[in-house]
Amino acid sequence: AQRVTQPEKLLSVFKGAPVELKCNYSYSGSPELFWYVQYSRQRLQLLLRHISRESIKGFTADLNKGETSFHLKKPFAQEEDSAMYYCALGNSGNTPLVFGKGTRLSVIA
Amino acid sequence: GAVVSQHPSRVICKSGTSVKIECRSLDFQATTMFWYRQFPKQSLMLMATSNEGSKATYEQGVEKDKFLINHASLTLSTLTVTSAHPEDSSFYICSARADVGTGANVLTFGAGSRLTVL
Repeated sequence: AQRVTQPEKLLSVFKGAPVELKCNYSYSGSPELFWYVQYSRQRLQLLLRHISRESIKGFTADLNKGETSFHLKKPFAQEEDSAMYYCALGNSGNTPLVFGKGTRLSVIA
Repeated sequence: GAVVSQHPSRVICKSGTSVKIECRSLDFQATTMFWYRQFPKQSLMLMATSNEGSKATYEQGVEKDKFLINHASLTLSTLTVTSAHPEDSSFYICSARADVGTGANVLTFGAGSRLTVL
């Protein structure tokens, strides 16, 4: 069964500090991993996906198949990064994504 | 970019009545749309997969007679909460894939519809 675990409900960091939002997954096939973000009063939107291997808004995430992890990292947190972050797991084809429970990131000035 | 529109954004209804929520893909066609439910401070729970021209696929524990899904066109899926009760009060979110055929599995989300049943 597909499962996504985000162990932290809330993560508070100071502005300028490094951020790591943890995500672990369980899937027997070839996974596609995503990070979605929901800013206050806005809709859920894609932040990044592992196949793109890109950096968005300073965030990066590397898929580690050995550890079945897809942690989201940013070296220097900004106040505008405060939001709800969801890790999601999918596979190829037109199938729904499975979401983790989300981590609320709070960046303190 | 791809946009998914949901309407209404907020609705309040009396217990026992039915409420319809619309989800439209504005600039792309979506053969499949997904309906999620989000409880306060909790994650998104997949309710069902809406398939254009065929029956929706419901997740375990979701009552198909309670939550009627219709996907009559490539740009519109509707979710009807029938005989609503206060426990149906929630935030309902739809999503769709805008790039079917490219192999990517990126979902575009609607802004959500907050249902309050009195």
